Amino acid sequence: NAGVTQTPKFRVLKTGQSMTLLCAQDMNHEYMYWYRQDPGMGLRLIHYSVGEGTTAKGEVPDGYNVSRLKKQNFLLGLESAAPSQTSVYFCASRTGPGELFFGEGSRLTVL
Amino acid sequence: GQQLNQSPQSMFIQEGEDVSMNCTSSSIFNTWLWYKQDPGEGPVLLIALYKAGELTSNGRLTAQFGITRKDSFLNISASIPSDVGIYFCAGQMGNSGNTPLVFGKGTRLSVIA
Repeated sequence: NAGVTQTPKFRVLKTGQSMTLLCAQDMNHEYMYWYRQDPGMGLRLIHYSVGEGTTAKGEVPDGYNVSRLKKQNFLLGLESAAPSQTSVYFCASRTGPGELFFGEGSRLTVL
Repeated sequence: GQQLNQSPQSMFIQEGEDVSMNCTSSSIFNTWLWYKQDPGEGPVLLIALYKAGELTSNGRLTAQFGITRKDSFLNISASIPSDVGIYFCAGQMGNSGNTPLVFGKGTRLSVIA
């Protein structure tokens, strides 16, 4: 049982480049989330989805876009990467208001 | 957005000591969750609390859902080196999954052997 899988695990970008982080979950979860984690800042919610075809903004959505075309996948896009987007990104999913299951994280460096 | 005040931010303790950390909020939560994050990995659920006053244990870990529903505590007894990591509290407002969890900023625990 893979749970929540994120790809890629590591990526280095130059300022202005674009990229997409893929999150896939095999637990048939309705809700999916993207967080970023920076030192001393905890986990900050970027965007989330309450079901296939839906997306909503979280606490820090600027500079990111998301899509949930399939229930099992949640994509996070950076159209024009900036050094401030250097972070560790976590995807998570859940079936209802309780436990959240996290992926292993994707470490992104923007030079 | 909503804020959870988690304290302490960091702790350095000797192996064998007990640890206590807590989260407080100005808002009422219906669920409290405690997560642990090992270095280089994603957070993993330790304990979930669903009822005010609830006290739940998981091995050496004990967590409580405050009676006011605005706070929660996590205690670790007889710490060991593998307890090292970042501990996060998270709260759920309401009973719908449409409302995201609110996370504290974490408590970084270091255990000195």
